[in-house]
Amino acid sequence: KAGVTQTPRYLIKTRGQQVTLSCSPISGHRSVSWYQQTPGQGLQFLFEYFSETQRNKGNFPGRFSGRQFSNSRSEMNVSTLELGDSALYLCASSPTGLAGVGETQYFGPGTRLLVL
Amino acid sequence: AQSVTQPDIHITVSEGASLELRCNYSYGATPYLFWYVQSPGQGLQLLLKYFSGDTLVQGIKGFEAEFKRSQSSFNLRKPSVHWSDAAEYFCAVARGGGGNKLTFGTGTQLKVEL
Repeated sequence: KAGVTQTPRYLIKTRGQQVTLSCSPISGHRSVSWYQQTPGQGLQFLFEYFSETQRNKGNFPGRFSGRQFSNSRSEMNVSTLELGDSALYLCASSPTGLAGVGETQYFGPGTRLLVL
Repeated sequence: AQSVTQPDIHITVSEGASLELRCNYSYGATPYLFWYVQSPGQGLQLLLKYFSGDTLVQGIKGFEAEFKRSQSSFNLRKPSVHWSDAAEYFCAVARGGGGNKLTFGTGTQLKVEL
């Protein structure tokens, strides 16, 4: 099975712009989660989508949003980019989204976003 | 709210030496615990996980971890480290009973000296 894929892998934007990142989960997986990784804050949970519905949300401002399509592919959008949004954005997929009962999340390679 | 502490930011070991990476968690109920590894420029790869049963868990690449409820710890061990083990290691906890949010520790950067 192909793993989790994320596009693009690298992105450079300027402050004030918006950006859309894409994630294709492993075939058959219906849950997609997004994480932000920065040197200062580490790995932080953004949100999770399951069956096209946002099921969990982390503590991020409303500039961060996402959606999931009927084929389970997911996108996340960041509007009005700030310098502090520079980070590695990781997507993870799992069959049903139940890490709390031991289900494994499989991570993609990430999209590295640089905001200038 | 759950939290994870990895006290060691950097660890250096010689190739062939044993390794122990520490992880302490804070969670009121039964935790679901994971260890992930991240190589430069890569995503996270699951090494092992604990969610019930035997407190000594075997994982990939020769790693194991022991869950100790009394110490709120889930330390990762390897008897003999290989140069290819150099990477960053993350401990994570999930809320028991459902949900998919992982709370990660700050990570431990492992350097292996040849």
